Amino acid sequence: DADVTQTPRNRITKTGKRIMLECSQTKGHDRMYWYRQDPGLGLRLIYYSFDVKDINKGEISDGYSVSRQAQAKFSLSLESAIPNQTALYFCATSDLPKTSRPYNEQFFGPGTRLTVL
Amino acid sequence: QKEVEQDPGPLSVPEGAIVSLNCTYSNSAFQYFMWYRQYSRKGPELLMYTYSSGNKEDGRFTAQVDKSSKYISLFIRDSQPSDSATYLCAMSVGSSASKIIFGSGTRLSIRP
Repeated sequence: DADVTQTPRNRITKTGKRIMLECSQTKGHDRMYWYRQDPGLGLRLIYYSFDVKDINKGEISDGYSVSRQAQAKFSLSLESAIPNQTALYFCATSDLPKTSRPYNEQFFGPGTRLTVL
Repeated sequence: QKEVEQDPGPLSVPEGAIVSLNCTYSNSAFQYFMWYRQYSRKGPELLMYTYSSGNKEDGRFTAQVDKSSKYISLFIRDSQPSDSATYLCAMSVGSSASKIIFGSGTRLSIRP
């Protein structure tokens, strides 16, 4: 089945460590996104990419970086993790809106629960 | 002030009840309004989409947008235990907008 997968699903790390979260998709979508979800704050956009050569900052990009290795792969890195980056991280993909579906439907992966001690 | 406000709940209702979930927003430029459903330990998935004002019905679900009041609602009729999830409203200015603003989500529990 076409899907969005994320690895790892859970990760506990220590302050100051570098960590990478990976996302792969088989939907054939050009657009990929990274969000974090915190209780009471909802989903907030970290970075997004509309194709392999296009990377854009989102609402809360400080302390994060991304790499779009291929159409199907989009990685999120925390260069030096800090405790307030403890959150649930989601990767999402979307296709271009079409006449039959004139809106930006995003397809989410299962999430990575990250804890920074 | 957040662009999108959503009551976090939790909301607990008996099976068969009508559920009303709501969001308010401040940006009058929003034109595309969505509801995502998120089950525990899963990513959100699109449930309903509405463009501009009006109602849209899909089975037991009805999405309503009142742009004059900057208020959107999701109604669930004949609620089922399988409807227990977190519901997030979401909205954007354009159809291909990169930026979708999500509400914080309302946790809903349907008691058998």
